[in-house]
Amino acid sequence: ETGVTQSPTHLIKTRGQQVTLRCSSQSGHNTVSWYQQALGQGPQFIFQYYREEENGRGNFPPRFSGLQFPNYSSELNVNALELDDSALYLCASSLGGPGTEAFFGQGTRLTVV
Amino acid sequence: DAKTTQPPSMDCAEGRAANLPCNHSTISGNEYVYWYRQIHSQGPQYIIHGLKNNETNEMASLIITEDRKSSTLILPHATLRDTAVYYCIVRATDKLIFGTGTRLQVFP
Repeated sequence: ETGVTQSPTHLIKTRGQQVTLRCSSQSGHNTVSWYQQALGQGPQFIFQYYREEENGRGNFPPRFSGLQFPNYSSELNVNALELDDSALYLCASSLGGPGTEAFFGQGTRLTVV
Repeated sequence: DAKTTQPPSMDCAEGRAANLPCNHSTISGNEYVYWYRQIHSQGPQYIIHGLKNNETNEMASLIITEDRKSSTLILPHATLRDTAVYYCIVRATDKLIFGTGTRLQVFP
């Protein structure tokens, strides 16, 4: 049990729709990162938030966006869903900085049809 | 962040030690070595990390060579529940770059 919770656990959306995924970070953790994991692959870094500001982004288009709130919880928003967006979406929370542990939630399984 | 190389798969008998190797020859001085594992369709689980000294916790031991170009994760007494994909990651920032990992199969 990592203390990182994600909701919902499963979601089915239609191509072209928009989706919001949520993550509650472990108590005291001010940094949240989001990852996309397609079937059979390792997780791919989407972006990271530190104290409500985005401070790192992977190779994902602008239709992937996020927010972090004052309590450090976070949202991932994906607009104009495509079939290839079907994946397990993971969030990880940490205290930030090298040498610190990042703990993952159980993920949200998104299926785009 | 430096790239890592791991064998795609390994087997281990239950009760024996599992030794998972990782090469990270381009690691730089401020980069840590992290290990995570992922059991089917669950979120990755943090195992251990280190900079240059060997580390041990309740789950595993991490042995880092003196030149820091490779490391070994040791699960001292593997159980069936240790069957998972194990990822070795080198990082200096908060971003974790996952490779393809090592699929460890523990058999009875």
